[in-house]
Amino acid sequence: KNEVEQSPQNLTAQEGEFITINCSYSVGISALHWLQQHPGGGIVSLFMLSSGKKKHGRLIATINIQEKHSSLHITASHPRDSAVYICAVLKAAGNKLTFGGGTRVLVKP
Amino acid sequence: DVKVTQSSRYLVKRTGEKVFLECVQDMDHENMFWYRQDPGLGLRLIYFSYDVKMKEKGDIPEGYSVSREKKERFSLILESASTNQTSMYLCASSHTPDRVHYSARNEQFFGPGTRLTVL
Repeated sequence: KNEVEQSPQNLTAQEGEFITINCSYSVGISALHWLQQHPGGGIVSLFMLSSGKKKHGRLIATINIQEKHSSLHITASHPRDSAVYICAVLKAAGNKLTFGGGTRVLVKP
Repeated sequence: DVKVTQSSRYLVKRTGEKVFLECVQDMDHENMFWYRQDPGLGLRLIYFSYDVKMKEKGDIPEGYSVSREKKERFSLILESASTNQTSMYLCASSHTPDRVHYSARNEQFFGPGTRLTVL
């Protein structure tokens, strides 16, 4: 079983809809990243969090350390949000990231 | 702004050729990483380096080597390229966390990627 699991693997939404992507992990961590990758593009770090909630524009990331679970929410989704979203965890006292399989999001106009 | 650059966006090589992929970061980061990304397999760590001339194997080091002669530059070398090394290669860098600033310093910054095709 993978140490980091994301769901769903694929998601299609209509423009304006609220989107939620989930990430569950089974190891002790010091931080969790949410990353975004557009088709053919490099990876951009959206959030790094170790507790609570962070918000940037229409994106919100939450983490529940006790439940080993994080969510990424996109409010008022837009076609330019179409990308692969990747959850990655930094294991406690480590330098290396462990990645989830990614969620491919398509937002239709 | 942190900048991680990679020498090529697209590269086509022949089987058996020696291939160098270069990565440069301008933020004085101690750690540098090489990943490959394949459909259905996600991102996998090939090698990483935590200091100049220091390296450690990742999850899939076979067929690769690395070089870190200067802090800002981390090279991935395919000694004899094979078709199963056709992939997207991504470089990343980060600081080594200290006890006070642990969570703030360990964010990884990624380069734009090099799509390598081996014919």
